[in-house]
Formats: sequence, C-alpha cells, structure tokens
Amino acid sequence: EDQVTQSPEALRLQEGESSSLNCSYTVSGLRGLFWYRQDPGKGPEFLFTLYSAGEEKEKERLKATLTKKESFLHITAPKPEDSATYLCAVERSSGSRLTFGEGTQLTVNP
Amino acid sequence: DVKVTQSSRYLVKRTGEKVFLECVQDMDHENMFWYRQDPGLGLRLIYFSYDVKMKEKGDIPEGYSVSREKKERFSLILESASTNQTSMYLCASSLSNLDTQYFGPGTRLTVL
Repeated sequence: EDQVTQSPEALRLQEGESSSLNCSYTVSGLRGLFWYRQDPGKGPEFLFTLYSAGEEKEKERLKATLTKKESFLHITAPKPEDSATYLCAVERSSGSRLTFGEGTQLTVNP
Repeated sequence: DVKVTQSSRYLVKRTGEKVFLECVQDMDHENMFWYRQDPGLGLRLIYFSYDVKMKEKGDIPEGYSVSREKKERFSLILESASTNQTSMYLCASSLSNLDTQYFGPGTRLTVL
C-alpha cells in the first residue's frame, strides 16, 4: 500500500526565515510526486510535479527536490502570503490515483 | 487555465436527505475525481471516472454514488445523508491518465 508522511505537521516561521518541509513516501513504481498548496476553505492549488530522483523545480520562493525516498519543499525568505497548508501526493506508474499526505500547515509571521 | 467549479461552497442538509454535489470542468478532461477531506485523515478518494458513464470506486465509496452523463460534469450523490458525511468535498479533473489533477474550490457539507 502506498504511504505518504509529511513533517512537521505544523511550522511557524518569521518572515525571511528559510526552512524545509519533508515528504517521505513508499510507493510501488513512482510515476510522479506532486506538491499542492491549500489555503483555508479552498481547494488545493497545484505547485510542482517531480518525476525522478535528483529532479528539482522552482517557483518564486519555493524549490522542490526529490530523492528515492523523500521530497523536500524548501522555502527561501518566506513572506506572510506563503502561509498555507502544503500537501504532498504520489502517483504510481500503473494508474492515476493519488495518495496524499496529511499536509504541513505553514504560518509565516510578519 | 484549467477551471473546475463546484455547485455550492457551503451546504447544510438533514440526516436522511438525498444530496447532490455537482462538479464541472471546462478543459475537456477525460478523468474526474471526488475526494473528501477531514482533519487528521487528509484527502481520501471516494470515486473517480475515466470516461462518460464509467466509474470506479476509490478508497471510501460506501454511502456514496456518482454519475457522469456528460464529459464535463461529474456528480456525487449521497443517497441518505448521515452526520458522519459532514466534510469538505473536493472535485478534481485531469486531462488523461498520469496527468496532473486540478481541484475545484470545494463544498463544505454539514449534515445535521
């Protein structure tokens, strides 16, 4: 059974204080690892897809990396508007079902 | 831009009522999905559909059914709502198999 574990559950940062969120996974034949951002009361918003170990993707202050067992979402010099829950999901190569982690709730204080 | 819309943002129903949640996507996507999201449990897949009139059970289909009569529309049906179906319901769509899923804004359903 596919499993995704995200840590920490919650993270509180000061504006400008860089940090990383972790997503550990076990999946039989990884097709892709997805990062989503979710604001309170809204649907998840797609950020990145990573397909193979060593791959990196960047968007503004966010950078996602992938190894064979985990992915990191690095947040550089965060701003209060980066506050959200960040979700990680994996998809196996045999189908399009996603398995989600429970998310990391990030709060960035001004 | 992909647009997935859901018929209601908030819905309050009574136990035993039949509830319809509607989802529409405007990008000619093949695949559509229904999830529920609960604190401590994350997103869980209820049903999905790869094509019109086609459906497959997800991880928690009990108490739910779905309908896909047109490619752009995927409905989730609670035949007889119960309080344990109080949740945030999220619809998603993807172009085809192994493509990114895009989510709608969600429907917060409360069953009293």
